[in-house]
Amino acid sequence: NAGVTQTPKFRVLKTGQSMTLLCAQDMNHEYMYWYRQDPGMGLRLIHYSVGEGTTAKGEVPDGYNVSRLKKQNFLLGLESAAPSQTSVYFCATPNRDGYGYTFGSGTRLTVV
Amino acid sequence: LAKTTQPISMDSYEGQEVNITCSHNNIATNDYITWYQQFPSQGPRFIIQGYKTKVTNEVASLFIPADRKSSTLSLPRVSLSDTAVYYCLVGPTMNSGYSTLTFGKGTMLLVSP
Repeated sequence: NAGVTQTPKFRVLKTGQSMTLLCAQDMNHEYMYWYRQDPGMGLRLIHYSVGEGTTAKGEVPDGYNVSRLKKQNFLLGLESAAPSQTSVYFCATPNRDGYGYTFGSGTRLTVV
Repeated sequence: LAKTTQPISMDSYEGQEVNITCSHNNIATNDYITWYQQFPSQGPRFIIQGYKTKVTNEVASLFIPADRKSSTLSLPRVSLSDTAVYYCLVGPTMNSGYSTLTFGKGTMLLVSP
């Protein structure tokens, strides 16, 4: 999706391992969001940021940490992965015209 | 954020018009109605947004009655590529300050030949 890039696209972790998901946006917006989507469900907000150096908890923040050291990047970390964190993770940022959000293409994470 | 209710699934055939209705009885005065489309293995894609009456773009139309307690997404002459999950969201737009999106389960639209 134009403007928001997520890496990696796929990852398999063992229980207890750690990893960081990267979201990069070139839309120069202050706000960025991390969501997770489980099968047959809508997206649920994990954490969000309203500007460089700021982060806030969303609906399901437990087990995740985030950092926003640069305006264009929003990192989502799993310190000790659990099978319950198997999901598809999406990053998003608002469109500059105020109409809707642009989402990344997602990271499919499997924790075994 | 106002809760939304929409059908779990809908079926249609190519060339037909599809109308998906969303109920949002507790919509607030400063809330807008936004629809997203999601294909498998992709992130949601913004379709259309409106506040009242009718909004139309190159992809769809959005009809909102005067009481704003419901809205209808209209897709003209659907094709197989319109098979996707459609989400109705209600909340303030970015122009009203920061906002977080609340997604329901959406409506799975299946278009058949």
